[in-house]
Amino acid sequence: SQKIEQNSEALNIQEGKTATLTCNYTNYSPAYLQWYRQDPGRGPVFLLLIRENEKEKRKERLKVTFDTTLKQSLFHITASQPADSATYLCALAGLTGGGNKLTFGTGTQLKVEL
Amino acid sequence: ETGVTQSPTHLIKTRGQQVTLRCSSQSGHNTVSWYQQALGQGPQFIFQYYREEENGRGNFPPRFSGLQFPNYSSELNVNALELDDSALYLCASSSGPSQSNTEAFFGQGTRLTVV
Repeated sequence: SQKIEQNSEALNIQEGKTATLTCNYTNYSPAYLQWYRQDPGRGPVFLLLIRENEKEKRKERLKVTFDTTLKQSLFHITASQPADSATYLCALAGLTGGGNKLTFGTGTQLKVEL
Repeated sequence: ETGVTQSPTHLIKTRGQQVTLRCSSQSGHNTVSWYQQALGQGPQFIFQYYREEENGRGNFPPRFSGLQFPNYSSELNVNALELDDSALYLCASSSGPSQSNTEAFFGQGTRLTVV
């Protein structure tokens, strides 16, 4: 069956460290993978998009990797800050037969402590 | 803040009733998608409209219906509400027929509680 797995347990890290979040998927072949940030009671906010033929994408303190062989994306936040505390969602897109929609994982909650 | 606005922000309805949720897309955007997000879950795709035509639908029953207007704003209608319909309903707007390969701008959501 099709699955998108993100760590269900919260990730707690110290300020200044690098946070690494994982998105694994099975029985999907996405053409794109997107990462969003969601704060409590708010809508998701777009962070990065990476294409299947791209290995890595960076934006300021953010880095995303996409390994279509391992069926995995890693999302890194370097020099993390308490303001980075939020839930991070990965979304698969451009699925064969999947149309134009985004298919989201359940998200990982990140807590950055002082 | 995105330019996507949803109304109302909170709503309480009784089982069996009908509800209409509204979404104003960001200026210049002609695509709107609707998602349902239960507590602790990721958003689930309901359907998408592009230039007033439905161009994708998720695994939701027909009592979930929608509409997109000439100004590209949109409505989500849910009939015969069930307790499990309690969730955060999100709309997302973008430019172009697909939200796969472009940034989607989400509204703040409507929190629907069915009692």
